[in-house]
Amino acid sequence: EAGVAQSPRYKIIEKRQSVAFWCNPISGHATLYWYQQILGQGPKLLIQFQNNGVVDDSQLPKDRFSAERLKGVDSTLKIQPAKLEDSAVYLCASSNIGGAGVKLFFGSGTQLSVL
Amino acid sequence: QKEVEQNSGPLSVPEGAIASLNCTYSDRVSQSFFWYRQYSGKSPELIMSIYSNGDKEDGRFTAQLNKASQYVSLLIRDSQPSDSATYLCAVSSYNTNAGKSTFGDGTTLTVKP
Repeated sequence: EAGVAQSPRYKIIEKRQSVAFWCNPISGHATLYWYQQILGQGPKLLIQFQNNGVVDDSQLPKDRFSAERLKGVDSTLKIQPAKLEDSAVYLCASSNIGGAGVKLFFGSGTQLSVL
Repeated sequence: QKEVEQNSGPLSVPEGAIASLNCTYSDRVSQSFFWYRQYSGKSPELIMSIYSNGDKEDGRFTAQLNKASQYVSLLIRDSQPSDSATYLCAVSSYNTNAGKSTFGDGTTLTVKP
C-alpha cells in the first residue's frame, strides 16, 4: 500500500514570496490533514478536510495561508506572502475516517526555510 | 496552560533499561490517546493508542492511562539504541474540535549502548 505522498521535500524562499505544497493521501482515505511542525515543537493542525469539505481550519492564518482539496483526493497548501516565522516542516496526514480515535498516517513532510 | 504537556527532556537511559515518558492533558472530555515516535528528520509514526483506564501492552511498549488524573504514560522496556527518537503524545476527543489530535511538544529519548 502506497503511503502519503508529499512534494517538494525541501523548499527555500525569501520572505514575501509565495510557496505551494502538494499532498496525495493514501488511496481511499477520506480525511486529510495539514500540520505545521516548528523545530522543537509538536505538530500543530492547520486544516482538516473530510472528502473535499473543510472540517476544521481554526488555526489556519487565513490572511496568508490557503488550502484546497479538489475532488476529495489531492490537496495543496499555499503560503502567500511568506514570513520568517513560517519556517517549519509542513506535514500532510490522512486517515480513513474522521473524528477522534483514528490513526494518522503522515507523509515525509516538506521542510520550508524562509530567508 | 498547554493542552498537552510532556516532560521537556531530553531523557537518557542505558541500553536495557526502562524508559518512562509522561504526558498530561487539560481537556477532561478527551477520549483517545496516542504515542507517536519521530526519528530525527522523519515524520511521526503511531506506536501505541489507548482509550480506557489502565495498561495496554504491545511488545516492549506499555501505555498507561489515568483519566481521573488526566495522565498518560509510555514505558519502554529493554530499551534499545534504535528507540532513540522523539516521542509525541497526542490527545483527541469525539466531542470537540472535530476530533482532531492535539500533540505535545515531545520528549527526546536517547538510549546509550
